[in-house]
Amino acid sequence: EPEVTQTPSHQVTQMGQEVILRCVPISNHLYFYWYRQILGQKVEFLVSFYNNEISEKSEIFDDQFSVERPDGSNFTLKIRSTKLEDSAMYFCASRTPGGPPDTQYFGPGTRLTVL
Amino acid sequence: AQSVAQPEDQVNVAEGNPLTVKCTYSVSGNPYLFWYVQYPNRGLQFLLKYITGDNLVKGSYGFEAEFNKSQTSFHLKKPSALVSDSALYFCAVGANTNAGKSTFGDGTTLTVKP
Repeated sequence: EPEVTQTPSHQVTQMGQEVILRCVPISNHLYFYWYRQILGQKVEFLVSFYNNEISEKSEIFDDQFSVERPDGSNFTLKIRSTKLEDSAMYFCASRTPGGPPDTQYFGPGTRLTVL
Repeated sequence: AQSVAQPEDQVNVAEGNPLTVKCTYSVSGNPYLFWYVQYPNRGLQFLLKYITGDNLVKGSYGFEAEFNKSQTSFHLKKPSALVSDSALYFCAVGANTNAGKSTFGDGTTLTVKP
């Protein structure tokens, strides 16, 4: 069964450094998402991406964040200058080309630790 | 704006007993509802969804959920709990927009004791 994959599984970085989290969505999916989950808290929407542009973003997704689909398979989240509070689990998700209610399939997550 | 509430932080049941994890929602328009499960240090795993049709939705691992429009609820149920069902459960509502983002509840920790 196809699945969303994410690399790395765990990223440790120093405050102020740039990080890039990588995702490979399911191959025929066209809508892509990033969510984050601070330890012990709820899963929060960051951004959605379709047709090579951002469809929607949350207030969390400020200027330090950016997303990109650099080729036909990868979907990346860049954090330019990491802060301690960026420490969280980051989940990538994708869904089919069908209507909005279709299920989003989530990757296993990247645990980001900012020191 | 859409929202989801999971009123219980924790649910404890004995193995073999039925379990219910509660969820209520608020959306404008038709609700698109999902349940996900998260095991420790793992990602979110899809369990089931309600889009339209029968109010009782069957999903993975013997779970089911009952959609109740008048009570705006979508409770997750299982007739006989297993110790291996112990995990964190999230209810989510999907937006009927092109972006189609999901809004998650706070999560409920289910503990099934032998």
